[in-house]
Amino acid sequence: GAGVSQTPSNKVTEKGKYVELRCDPISGHTALYWYRQSLGQGPEFLIYFQGTGAADDSGLPNDRFFAVRPEGSVSTLKIQRTERGDSAVYLCASSLTGAGLIADTQYFGPGTRLTVL
Amino acid sequence: DAKTTQPPSMDCAEGRAANLPCNHSTISGNEYVYWYRQIHSQGPQYIIHGLKNNETNEMASLIITEDRKSSTLILPHATLRDTAVYYCIRRAYNTGNQFYFGTGTSLTVIP
Repeated sequence: GAGVSQTPSNKVTEKGKYVELRCDPISGHTALYWYRQSLGQGPEFLIYFQGTGAADDSGLPNDRFFAVRPEGSVSTLKIQRTERGDSAVYLCASSLTGAGLIADTQYFGPGTRLTVL
Repeated sequence: DAKTTQPPSMDCAEGRAANLPCNHSTISGNEYVYWYRQIHSQGPQYIIHGLKNNETNEMASLIITEDRKSSTLILPHATLRDTAVYYCIRRAYNTGNQFYFGTGTSLTVIP
């Protein structure tokens, strides 16, 4: 079946602009995760959704970052007043259950490369 | 805090076994060890995970020491396509679901 997809694959914007990044998880996966990866670093956790609700948003760097998942499937990561330091690859992952006593594998999408000029 | 320690880079000859070590000396009893790899410009790809016992699948083997303080990922017959960054990750199975990645090991398979 189809894996996790992310759009756009590349996004170039100017400092101060607003951007939206989209993630389509694997069908039937209830858990969805956003990570950010800077050059030469491992992915850094941002936020985790269980269904429609954000179960853990402790990784969001500040209030310019916000994410939604209104119907428990597609998610959008929103960044307001972008800064040059926001330039990174934004990765989305999904997993079947996301919680409980089961070791739950996360499947990652290809990422969106955001460049803020 | 990545909570795992890996060598920054390794080389392996094509066709030979690649053994990638990971130190997780402060691992808790409820934490699994996961391995992912990331090929340039792609999202991380799941390889294998384990709790206490050694594990094997079609991609690799995972050897976890008896005290669980370290583990080794084994790619039995490395190919050029195995060149990637390999991440060893700890993850609690009943608290928190996010992965905390370190900087990983950059494995280069040499022809």
